Amino acid sequence: GQNIDQPTEMTATEGAIVQINCTYQTSGFNGLFWYQQHAGEAPTFLSYNVLDGLEEKGRFSSFLSRSKGYSYLLLKELQMKDSASYLCAVRDNYGQNFVFGPGTRLSVLP
Amino acid sequence: IAGITQAPTSQILAAGRRMTLRCTQDMRHNAMYWYRQDLGLGLRLIHYSNTAGTTGKGEVPDGYSVSRANTDDFPLTLASAVPSQTSVYFCASRQTVNTEAFFGQGTRLTVV
Repeated sequence: GQNIDQPTEMTATEGAIVQINCTYQTSGFNGLFWYQQHAGEAPTFLSYNVLDGLEEKGRFSSFLSRSKGYSYLLLKELQMKDSASYLCAVRDNYGQNFVFGPGTRLSVLP
Repeated sequence: IAGITQAPTSQILAAGRRMTLRCTQDMRHNAMYWYRQDLGLGLRLIHYSNTAGTTGKGEVPDGYSVSRANTDDFPLTLASAVPSQTSVYFCASRQTVNTEAFFGQGTRLTVV
């Protein structure tokens, strides 16, 4: 079966660093995506990992360990506008379907 | 049109009625998807289409049907709406399986 877990909610302070974890158990693996979704809006793409290691993109970085079924999204220098839900999605072995986790709602406080 | 567009933005529908949610993209993406998003459950795949003329069932297809007559359009039909279909529906498209998905702005559907 397919199972993706993320913490439900997290809170952090403006200017700080926060790490959002994602663990997955899927029928095969062909890549992991992170999306950001502000309340009432559509998800927007943040990052894509298919090989182990860290992908850095400005203030956001994403890490993948395929052997552990684990990824994290690291947000640095947090800003108020980073308050949103962060969705982890895994592409399965057949390459066609993407399974989404429940999302982590991040609140950035002043 | 720029990107991917859904219509309507929101709708209140009487149970038992038929409803079609529209989705159009102008990016010439091959693959298109319909998801529903419910609190605590995340995005769940309803139906998908890898290319024009083909469709497939996702995780929660019951009560829904789709068609893909051309590359641009991917309508989702609820034949006889039920209250459990109250949700926010997102249409998405991607060029290939290695690229990110682009999402429409969503349709908020309430079945009463």
